[in-house]
Amino acid sequence: QVQLVESGGGVVQPGTSLRLSCAASGYTFSSYNMHWVRQAPGKGLEWVAVIWYDGSNKYYADSVKGRFTISRDNSKNTLYLQMNSLRAEDTAVYYCARRRSGSSNALDIWGQGTMVTVSS
Amino acid sequence: AIQLTQSPSSLSASVGDRVTITCRASQGISSSLVWYQQKPGKAPKFLIYDASSLESGVPSRFSGSGSGTDFTLTISSLQPEDFATYYCQQFNSYPITFGQGTRLEIK
Repeated sequence: QVQLVESGGGVVQPGTSLRLSCAASGYTFSSYNMHWVRQAPGKGLEWVAVIWYDGSNKYYADSVKGRFTISRDNSKNTLYLQMNSLRAEDTAVYYCARRRSGSSNALDIWGQGTMVTVSS
Repeated sequence: AIQLTQSPSSLSASVGDRVTITCRASQGISSSLVWYQQKPGKAPKFLIYDASSLESGVPSRFSGSGSGTDFTLTISSLQPEDFATYYCQQFNSYPITFGQGTRLEIK
């Protein structure tokens, strides 16, 4: 079945780095744009970044621009989020999600999320 | 960035009630609006795309409408499994944004 599994979360100190991974299975990963979305504890959803199916385009939320980098390895069916200069406000559950196929936009498949805690 | 404002922020209703949630965009977004449902501790579930198109497998009691700046999500007859938080999301332009959410609780 179609599945996304995130990993790499943990507790880190402010100013440090962390890389999240999202392993995709059950579909042709290289054909789909992929997104990262996060959710701080008790808060709403916040879109983080998108990468085109072939890696040719990337966009970021203003809150992470210049600190986070989205990338993918289509040979490994894996999406990444490199997070540098982490701040307390980056504490959240991070979800990877697939953009649905076709001309209409939506995130149709989501992972279960991985928790990132930034604390001294 | 385009801001999405949902109203109400929370809502109490009973099984069988008809419920409407509103999402207003700070500028026109055509029909590039998606609705999600999220239950505690779970990832969001995609319900409606293009403002009014129901995703396959989503019960027909869910419907969406609107274009431009004003959008609604309607649940025609609430079921116990519908009590959750609902989010709108715009894909008209980057950065993509979400509404702040509407928490639907049992009265």
